[in-house]
Amino acid sequence: QSVLTQPPSASGTPGQRVTISCSGSSSNIGSNYVYWYQQLPGTAPKLLIYRNNQRPSGVPDRFSGSKSGTSGSLAISGLRSEDEADYYCAAWDDSLSGRVFGGGTKLTVL
Amino acid sequence: EVQLVESGGGLVQPGGSLRLSCAASGFTFSNYWMHWVRQAPGKGLVWVSRVNNDGSSTNYADSVKGRFTISRDNAKNTLYLQMNSLRAEDTAVYYCAGKNSVSEYWGQGTLVTVSS
Repeated sequence: QSVLTQPPSASGTPGQRVTISCSGSSSNIGSNYVYWYQQLPGTAPKLLIYRNNQRPSGVPDRFSGSKSGTSGSLAISGLRSEDEADYYCAAWDDSLSGRVFGGGTKLTVL
Repeated sequence: EVQLVESGGGLVQPGGSLRLSCAASGFTFSNYWMHWVRQAPGKGLVWVSRVNNDGSSTNYADSVKGRFTISRDNAKNTLYLQMNSLRAEDTAVYYCAGKNSVSEYWGQGTLVTVSS
């Protein structure tokens, strides 16, 4: 059971906009930044969003992040077949003094 | 080019020990806090441990506290994870990751299998 809660799956058709939610608590998302990662099959995770809504250089602006209270959200617009991957949220947890991840969301592009 | 290369994984019996290494290049290693994250086969990401940039402060997940030790050698640009009293549930791919306020780098991972 992960500390951060994500839907196990999401789907969309090419060109659509999809959002993935990440629910936490006051000790993690409520008081710290949210991060988002993309993991393509058989590869290492890649940072997509840091500090709630910032994109590292090289990440397309189709990817955007937001945070409200104890929840975060990742939005992917103009969905493409290469976006099919697992997506994870993460945050520091002050009560656990450790980093916590969501259980991951498998995105399928139909 | 930024590189993080993990090594030291393999097959070990329950109760055994293993030391993982993560060699860094292409960035200023001493400016980055370093983490270990693991992923059991077919499962999600789980944070294991982190060390600050000069090695003076560490944190651990409850599941490994007292059994694993994270350390770093900034002169060698290398991160370590000493794993003792290994259990079957420690079986996973172990990734090292370097993080600062605006960037983050991950290695390709090394597989640790704990089995008799």
